Amino acid sequence: GAGVSQTPSNKVTEKGKYVELRCDPISGHTALYWYRQSLGQGPEFLIYFQGTGAADDSGLPNDRFFAVRPEGSVSTLKIQRTERGDSAVYLCASSPSSGSTDTQYFGPGTRLTVL
Amino acid sequence: AQSVAQPEDQVNVAEGNPLTVKCTYSVSGNPYLFWYVQYPNRGLQFLLKYITGDNLVKGSYGFEAEFNKSQTSFHLKKPSALVSDSALYFCAVRDLRNFNKFYFGSGTKLNVKP
Repeated sequence: GAGVSQTPSNKVTEKGKYVELRCDPISGHTALYWYRQSLGQGPEFLIYFQGTGAADDSGLPNDRFFAVRPEGSVSTLKIQRTERGDSAVYLCASSPSSGSTDTQYFGPGTRLTVL
Repeated sequence: AQSVAQPEDQVNVAEGNPLTVKCTYSVSGNPYLFWYVQYPNRGLQFLLKYITGDNLVKGSYGFEAEFNKSQTSFHLKKPSALVSDSALYFCAVRDLRNFNKFYFGSGTKLNVKP
């Protein structure tokens, strides 16, 4: 079946602009996660949704970052007043639930470049 | 705090030889450990996980990993490497106090030469 998809695959923007990154999870998966992967590093947790609500947003670096999942499926990560340090690959993952043994399935990521 | 360490940035092996990619972990309590592989411009793909039970876990594409509690290690292994195994490999641990979070290592680049 279809995996996790993310759009756009690449986004180039200028410092100070607003961007939105979209994630379509695997159908039926209730848990959705956003990660940020900087060059040469492993993914870092940003935020987790169970259904429509953000159950854990402790990884968001500051209040310029915000994410929504209004209908419990598609999620959008929003970054205001982008900075050059926001440049990274943003990964989305979903899992059937938030159970401790559940595997997370990742999308291909969105590469964000802030000039 | 939960964490994993991948001590090697890069591992080079010849095709047909066995490969090992190292991972050590630091957790409070029993660890839930995972291995993922990342090909260029692709997302992370799940390889295998250790939750409980046998210390030797078998996964996708002929990979296996050995959980060693005394050495707090979870090394990834394959008996005979393929050129197509060349990729970036990540070890991860799940935070048992907070099932939502995975902590990833910094990754190990595996190069398999023909």
